[in-house]
Amino acid sequence: EDQVTQSPEALRLQEGESSSLNCSYTVSGLRGLFWYRQDPGKGPEFLFTLYSAGEEKEKERLKATLTKKESFLHITAPKPEDSATYLCAVEISGTSYGKLTFGQGTILTVHP
Amino acid sequence: GAGVSQSPSNKVTEKGKDVELRCDPISGHTALYWYRQSLGQGLEFLIYFQGNSAPDKSGLPSDRFSAERTGGSVSTLTIQRTQQEDSAVYLCASSLVSGRQETQYFGPGTRLLVL
Repeated sequence: EDQVTQSPEALRLQEGESSSLNCSYTVSGLRGLFWYRQDPGKGPEFLFTLYSAGEEKEKERLKATLTKKESFLHITAPKPEDSATYLCAVEISGTSYGKLTFGQGTILTVHP
Repeated sequence: GAGVSQSPSNKVTEKGKDVELRCDPISGHTALYWYRQSLGQGLEFLIYFQGNSAPDKSGLPSDRFSAERTGGSVSTLTIQRTQQEDSAVYLCASSLVSGRQETQYFGPGTRLLVL
């Protein structure tokens, strides 16, 4: 069964304290892995797409990496405005393009 | 430009009533997706429209759920005979086309509460 698991469920950091969020996946075939950010009361906001093991992408304080079994979202020197729920999703080979299977998310809180 | 819009923002209904949720995708986007986000659950795919192709309805949880997309633009998700377990945030997303490297842009969602 295709599965996406995110850990930890919640993460509390001090401003400037770098850390990583994990997304592990078990799928029949990976077409792409996506990271989204979701603020309370809003829809998810796209961050990154990764397609193959070894790929890395960066945006400001965020860096996403991908292996054959998992993806990490590294947050360097976070700020309070980085507080949000971070969602990981996969697009599985053989399914409709754009049909995403999401993990349950990691709630990140950054304290000043 | 305008993003994906959804209406209503919030909907409270009584068990057994029908509800309609509306999604206006970004102009020019040919792919449209509906997801459901329940408390404590991840986003769950419901249905996907791509141009004039037959929709992928594989995520609809029961035959009480249906969706249509008129004129390749606006979409309506209908839930008949609502149940308390239908309470959730219903999210719509659109993308320029369906395919690799096409980012899905999400709307703010409709929060449905079934009493």
